[in-house]
Amino acid sequence: EVQLLESGGGLVQPGGSLRLSCAASGFSFSGYAMSWVRQAPGKGLEWVADISGNGGNTYHVDSVKGRFTISRDKSQNTLYLQMNSLRVDDTAVYYCAKVPKLTCSGGTCYLDSWGRGTLVIVSS
Amino acid sequence: EIVLTQPPGTLSLSPGERATLSCRASQNVPGNWLAWYQQKPGQAPRLLIYAASSRATGIPDRFSGSGSGTNFFLSISRLEPDDFATYYCQQYGSSPRTFGQGTKVEI
Repeated sequence: EVQLLESGGGLVQPGGSLRLSCAASGFSFSGYAMSWVRQAPGKGLEWVADISGNGGNTYHVDSVKGRFTISRDKSQNTLYLQMNSLRVDDTAVYYCAKVPKLTCSGGTCYLDSWGRGTLVIVSS
Repeated sequence: EIVLTQPPGTLSLSPGERATLSCRASQNVPGNWLAWYQQKPGQAPRLLIYAASSRATGIPDRFSGSGSGTNFFLSISRLEPDDFATYYCQQYGSSPRTFGQGTKVEI
């Protein structure tokens, strides 16, 4: 059974940094692309970033480009999201999710398993 | 960027009724690469449908997806109490991947 467990969320001041982690189990971690999706309180879903199975290809949505970095560690079966220069509008629940293929491209970039999420609050 | 619109924001129905949810794209979705997710309060989304009409593993056959181009639909043939939730569409034919704003199905 696929399990994704996020951690690292919390309260941070504007301009601060956080690193989110997602521990993966139940599947061959390096064989699948992974993604971070966020949901602001009471709002819809926003695709934040994704990374290929081997870590060689990454994508970040324009609103976080240059501030957030997605990465993965195959030895730890863990996905990361380094978030710098945080803004109030980054406040959201951040979900880690699995793509059903090695790369997120063409007709493969949907999400077949999700974690429970971790809450990030950016406030002074 | 492909913008997805899901009217109406809320759909009020009764158990046993049929639900038809709409997802309209601002331009053709390449490959008809569109997915549907269900989300209940306080829970993560769950994949229901991918490639517009393929059911995900373990999803009951009362859920079905249809459509192409700019108009897509999620149908729930007979609503059960567990189906009352918010439903999101997502296109993955082009970057950035985008979601609709969701349709809440309530009793």
